[in-house]
Amino acid sequence: AQTVTQSQPEMSVQEAETVTLSCTYDTSESDYYLFWYKQPPSRQMILVIRQEAYKQQNATENRFSVNFQKAAKSFSLKISDSQLGDAAMYFCAYRTQTGANNLFFGTGTRLTVIP
Amino acid sequence: EPEVTQTPSHQVTQMGQEVILRCVPISNHLYFYWYRQILGQKVEFLVSFYNNEISEKSEIFDDQFSVERPDGSNFTLKIRSTKLEDSAMYFCASSGGGLYGYTFGSGTRLTVV
Repeated sequence: AQTVTQSQPEMSVQEAETVTLSCTYDTSESDYYLFWYKQPPSRQMILVIRQEAYKQQNATENRFSVNFQKAAKSFSLKISDSQLGDAAMYFCAYRTQTGANNLFFGTGTRLTVIP
Repeated sequence: EPEVTQTPSHQVTQMGQEVILRCVPISNHLYFYWYRQILGQKVEFLVSFYNNEISEKSEIFDDQFSVERPDGSNFTLKIRSTKLEDSAMYFCASSGGGLYGYTFGSGTRLTVV
C-alpha cells in the first residue's frame, strides 16, 4: 500500500524568507503523480502544485517549487518569498496512475508565517 | 474556473439519524470521490465512483455509508445511522483523470451530537 510521510508537523518562516516542507512516500509503482495541497483555516483543499513521476524536471508555480527525487522517493515543497497568506496546513499527496486514482495524503505540516 | 459545490456547509445531527451530504461535481469530470478529515487529522479516502458505480472504497466506508449519482449532476453521500465518531469534515472531489488531479469542494462539516 502507498504511504505518504510528512515528518514536520509544524514549521515556521519569516515573511519574505524561504521554507522547505518535506515529504516522502513509499510505492512499488513506477508511474504516479504527486501533489501538494494547501488547507487554510477555511479548511478548503487548494491544489498548490503537481508533479508527474516520469518527468525529471521539477514543477514550478510562481513562488512554489518542488524538489522531486524519485530514487529517494522524496517530494519536498519550497515556498519562496513567503507571504502571510501562505500560512496554512500543507498536505503532500500521492496518486496512482491506475485503478480509481485515489489520493493518499500525508498527515500535514502546519506552516506559520511570522510578520 | 469550474468549482465543485458542496451543501450544506455545516450540518448538525443527532446520533442515530440519517444524513445526506450533497455535491455537484464539475460537469465534464468522470471520477467522483468522497474524503473525510476528522479534526486535526489527515484526509482519508472513503470512496471513489466511476461510470455510475463504486470503483473503490476504504475500510471506513462500511454498510452505514452509501453513495449515489441520482440525476447525472449531483453526487451524494448518505450515512444511515450516524455515530459520534462520524463527526468530521467531508470533502467531495471530482477529476477528469490524468495529471489534473482533483478539484475539491469546500467541504461539509458534520457534527454528530
